[in-house]
Amino acid sequence: GQNIDQPTEMTATEGAIVQINCTYQTSGFNGLFWYQQHAGEAPTFLSYNVLDGLEEKGRFSSFLSRSKGYSYLLLKELQMKDSASYLCAVRAPGELVFGTGTRLLVSP
Amino acid sequence: DADVTQTPRNRITKTGKRIMLECSQTKGHDRMYWYRQDPGLGLRLIYYSFDVKDINKGEISDGYSVSRQAQAKFSLSLESAIPNQTALYFCATSDTTASGNTIYFGEGSWLTVV
Repeated sequence: GQNIDQPTEMTATEGAIVQINCTYQTSGFNGLFWYQQHAGEAPTFLSYNVLDGLEEKGRFSSFLSRSKGYSYLLLKELQMKDSASYLCAVRAPGELVFGTGTRLLVSP
Repeated sequence: DADVTQTPRNRITKTGKRIMLECSQTKGHDRMYWYRQDPGLGLRLIYYSFDVKDINKGEISDGYSVSRQAQAKFSLSLESAIPNQTALYFCATSDTTASGNTIYFGEGSWLTVV
């Protein structure tokens, strides 16, 4: 079976750093994705990890440990526009399986 | 203009009616997908297609059918709509030649079944 766990909701302050964790148990692994989704809009691609380690892209970084079935998304210098849901997704053979998403609320 | 276009964007329909959601893409991708999103349940895969005439069931295909008559078009049908099919539906595409086979989503179609 496929199981992906993320916290339901997190809050943070503008300018701060926040880490969103994702753990997974899937039948097969071909990479892990992070997407950002604003309410009522389409998910947009943020990052992709297939090897262990940290991938940095501007204010956003994503980390993967395949042996632990664990990833995190790190957001630095938070801005109000970062308030959104963040979806962790694992590519298992043949399909992309999504977690239920973490809703991030950024306050002034 | 969006690379992945869905029509209609919003639709209210009655129980028992047939409804079709259409998706077209200009990205030239070979793979196309239909997902539905419900609060608290995340995105769930309904059907996917790796090429024209290729159809594969996803996690929640019951009550749905699809058609892939051309590489750029993938339509989703609800033969007899029921209220628990009220959801936000997303079409998506991916390119097997790209790193990670990243999925790109359309803007979404809000469907309400009353």
